[in-house]
Amino acid sequence: DQQVKQNSPSLSVQEGRISILNCDYTNSMFDYFLWYKKYPAEGPTFLISISSIKDKNEDGRFTVFLNKSAKHLSLHIVPSQPGDSAVYFCAAKVTETSYDKVIFGPGTSLSVIP
Amino acid sequence: ETGVTQTPRHLVMGMTNKKSLKCEQHLGHNAMYWYKQSAKKPLELMFVYNFKEQTENNSVPSRFSPECPNSSHLFLHLHTLQPEDSALYLCASRGSSNYGYTFGSGTRLTVV
Repeated sequence: DQQVKQNSPSLSVQEGRISILNCDYTNSMFDYFLWYKKYPAEGPTFLISISSIKDKNEDGRFTVFLNKSAKHLSLHIVPSQPGDSAVYFCAAKVTETSYDKVIFGPGTSLSVIP
Repeated sequence: ETGVTQTPRHLVMGMTNKKSLKCEQHLGHNAMYWYKQSAKKPLELMFVYNFKEQTENNSVPSRFSPECPNSSHLFLHLHTLQPEDSALYLCASRGSSNYGYTFGSGTRLTVV
């Protein structure tokens, strides 16, 4: 059973427009959410995060929104650039007894068309 | 370079072989992880080491055997693997001051 879901496997956006990547989760114990970006032949790189007590976090062109009641978060990229083309993973953290565990979604492949 | 180095980058092995994947970080992080990424599947957590102690074994078959000799090094020993074990194996580390994992570039494993 997937605790972190990204229902869109792929997304295409024109350069300069907004990219919106969505993520849903099921576990109400998640207390931190993260977005990672992955290029082919590389490991994922951390992009932006948000605590469960916030509803928005912004970093340059990237903004993450959290709707806790809907168990939904989204990543907005504006304006989108061709270099943003990558796979984006949504992830959520839960604290186990003595350590943190991060669960990843399946990813959404973003293509930004010049 | 992210600060987490994985070797080898690519590995092809037969089902009767024994091989090891290596992960090294000098970021001062105290938690290290093995993840598996199969085609069109989420990243699957395999093992967690916290201060060199294994704190999670996520129902991984015994043909995968992790080893963490110190807080900077993590190994994944492989033996008698199956073709369905072919995947990208990613190592990650995390410090105590943030929640962002630092990933290595991964080892692309093919079992023939």
